Amino acid sequence: SQQGEEDPQALSIQEGENATMNCSYKTSINNLQWYRQNSGRGLVHLILIRSNEREKHSGRLRVTLDTSKKSSSLLITASRAADTASYFCATSGAGSYQLTFGKGTKLSVIP
Amino acid sequence: GAVVSQHPSWVICKSGTSVKIECRSLDFQATTMFWYRQFPKQSLMLMATSNEGSKATYEQGVEKDKFLINHASLTLSTLTVTSAHPEDSSFYICSAITSAAYNEQFFGPGTRLTVL
Repeated sequence: SQQGEEDPQALSIQEGENATMNCSYKTSINNLQWYRQNSGRGLVHLILIRSNEREKHSGRLRVTLDTSKKSSSLLITASRAADTASYFCATSGAGSYQLTFGKGTKLSVIP
Repeated sequence: GAVVSQHPSWVICKSGTSVKIECRSLDFQATTMFWYRQFPKQSLMLMATSNEGSKATYEQGVEKDKFLINHASLTLSTLTVTSAHPEDSSFYICSAITSAAYNEQFFGPGTRLTVL
């Protein structure tokens, strides 16, 4: 199975700063997704990037994918206190609906 | 749209009892539902994949006789933790996909199970 690994495990920044989280995986993928989880809650889908895409934007989010390095990054620009949460990457392989989640990055945005 | 609910949101039970958790897709028909377990400060681990009308497919290491999954309709899947033990205490999350959007899983809010 493929497993995403995020780094850093924890990130603390000031409001207004940018936050960058990275994810690495081990095998070929069909797509990679990023999710947010507030403490003790379910997951919120943020963005999906397909294996043939290199970059994608959604509002203050920017995701890049480098399949040669088997890595992805999530950039949150102009962070807000409300962005405080854990962020997970998840991958799925060709022909599979199953997601394999990384360990997550806990982001704290200090007002 | 694409809302998934779980019930209950939290449950406390005694060791040895069974607990049933429901996962419902409220405004769409879910061809497939997934059950995950998440221990504190850890990631989600897939437990099983559930297709409507057929037996669930369990991930390696997950006891199918302990975690009973029933997906009787296109909008409801249930997970029953049988003879629960304290080590089963965890956050259980379900997700669902539709035939129209296989790539995106819609997650429920999770159920916190505490076994005393």
